[in-house]
Amino acid sequence: DIVMTQTPLSLSVTPGQPASISCKSSQSLLHSDGKTYLYWYLQKPGQPPQLLIYEVSNRFSGVPDRFSGSGSGTDFTLKISRVEAEDVGVYYCMQSIQLPWTFGQGTKVEIK
Amino acid sequence: QVQLVQSGAEVKKPGASVKVSCKASGYTFTSYGISWVRQAPGQGLEWMGWISAYNGNTNYAQKLQGRVTMTTDTSTSTAYMELRSLRSDDTAVYYCARLELGMDWFDPWGQGTLVTVSS
Repeated sequence: DIVMTQTPLSLSVTPGQPASISCKSSQSLLHSDGKTYLYWYLQKPGQPPQLLIYEVSNRFSGVPDRFSGSGSGTDFTLKISRVEAEDVGVYYCMQSIQLPWTFGQGTKVEIK
Repeated sequence: QVQLVQSGAEVKKPGASVKVSCKASGYTFTSYGISWVRQAPGQGLEWMGWISAYNGNTNYAQKLQGRVTMTTDTSTSTAYMELRSLRSDDTAVYYCARLELGMDWFDPWGQGTLVTVSS
């Protein structure tokens, strides 16, 4: 199975400040079709997860532009340019290049 | 709007089976798949598998092979996940999510169904 390792596991951020989460995969997520199958989800407290980013860097519909994704191969990053109170929750990266699809352990983001 | 509504919480004894439903609305059911993801209390997300609502093709996580069955009823736009031979470590919130076939993303998600396995 592909292991997804996120760092840090928790993050406390002052509103308006940036935040960054790293996700490293044990194998390359670049497919022969040219796509990289890496996604980011946010699970707000008491809610199901919601899609933020697909294929490394594409913001899903309705996702604010303060969220951005980058990376390639095995190293990926989610950045929030200016954290807002509504961004609290647990962020997960996920790969779907190989079965079973696997998630990172999650990074809990809270507001200072 | 696109919505997935799941069945209510269940309490089961070890060795029993559970069947969770996920009713879709607001889109063409057979144009997408449904994936199932579970979350043990206080833990992260675990992908269980997916089913194509178009042709019924399935892919299950190997660790659940033989215990899980995912099905769909296109007449009612409902997906089902049955888990058999329940153990205490199957206690979790079970989520269904619409799967964009070929794109592999999940959106939206159902509200979740808590399955508690306890003697």
